[in-house]
Parts: sequence; C-alpha cells; structure tokens
Amino acid sequence: AQTVTQSQPEMSVQEAETVTLSCTYDTSESDYYLFWYKQPPSRQMILVIRQEAYKQQNATENRFSVNFQKAAKSFSLKISDSQLGDAAMYFCAIDTPLVFGKGTRLSVIA
Amino acid sequence: NAGVTQTPKFRILKIGQSMTLQCAQDMNHNYMYWYRQDPGMGLKLIYYSVGAGITDKGEVPNGYNVSRSTTEDFPLRLELAAPSQTSVYFCASSYYRVAGIDEQYFGPGTRLTVT
Repeated sequence: AQTVTQSQPEMSVQEAETVTLSCTYDTSESDYYLFWYKQPPSRQMILVIRQEAYKQQNATENRFSVNFQKAAKSFSLKISDSQLGDAAMYFCAIDTPLVFGKGTRLSVIA
Repeated sequence: NAGVTQTPKFRILKIGQSMTLQCAQDMNHNYMYWYRQDPGMGLKLIYYSVGAGITDKGEVPNGYNVSRSTTEDFPLRLELAAPSQTSVYFCASSYYRVAGIDEQYFGPGTRLTVT
C-alpha cells in the first residue's frame, strides 16, 4: 500500500518570503506520479504541481517548485515570493490511486 | 462547461437515516471517484468507477453504495447514517485512470453531519 506523510501540521511565512513544505512517501512501484494540491477555505481542491517519478528534472509552475528525491522518497514543495492568496491547506499525494497526506496548513503573514 | 457538480452543499442527517449525494460531470470523463475528508485529514477514496456500469471499492467503502448508470452521473448512497460518516465528501472525475496523465477534477464538496 502506498502512504504519504506530511510531518508539518502548520507552517507560516512572511509575505514575499520563501517557504518549503515537506512530504515523504512510500511505494513499491517504480513509476508513479506525485502531486501537491491546495485547498483554500472554499474547500475546492486545486492542483498546484505534479511530478512523474521517472523524470529527473524537478517540476516548476511559476512560483511553485518541487525538490524530488526519488531514492529518499521525498517530495517537498517550495513556494517563492509568498502571497496572501497562498494561505491554505496543502496536501501531498501519490498516484495510482490517489493517496493523500494529512496536510500542512500554511499561513501567510502580511 | 460546469465541470464537476455536487448536490447538496450541506446536509444534516439523523442516525439511521438514508440519503444520496449527487455528482455529475459534463466533461465526458470515463473515471469518477468519491472521497471523504475527515477533519484534519487528507482525502480517502471510498469508491470509483471506470465507466457506466462498472464500479469498484476504494480504501473506505463500508457504509456506502454507488452506481453508475450513465457516463455523467455517479451518486453515492448512505443507507444507515452513522456519526462516523460525518465528513466532507468530494466527487472527482478524470479522462484517464492515472491522475498524472490527466488531472483529476474535483467538485466543491458536500459537508455532511450525522447526529
């Protein structure tokens, strides 16, 4: 069975600063996908970024980037130039099927 | 294009009551999913469907039933509501089975309270 662990229940960051959210996972598969989802207070699940395990290059999406360490089974999310709208719950997940971590609540301080 | 829609948005049930959570998508997706999100937790898969007439259990299927008579609709049935089923329920859909190939699109969720 695949598992995902997010060890930081809460994080905070000053506006315009950089923050890194941690995620570790376990799987017996050799190829898989990893994701970060954002859930704002509206509850809507929003895909932030995805990474395919066989790709060496770390995925980036504008201010969001990942540090994917396959051997260590680590998949952290870096948010640069943090904005007030980044405040939300962030979930790490692995596929297939989608298995989610417990989430990290990110607060952004003006 | 409405995406994935869910009704109702909120519901309060008494113990032992039954209800159906509705989910519809207009993207012609083959795959549909039901998740539950308990307080302070991530989403857990209840049931999924690979197409009309085909459903399968996820991680936490006990206490629920599903059916898929059309490509568009995937209702979730609670027969005898229990307090342990208090949760937020999300429906999702995708064209492909593997979420990395094509994004899973989530509905807005239904908050269910059983008292």
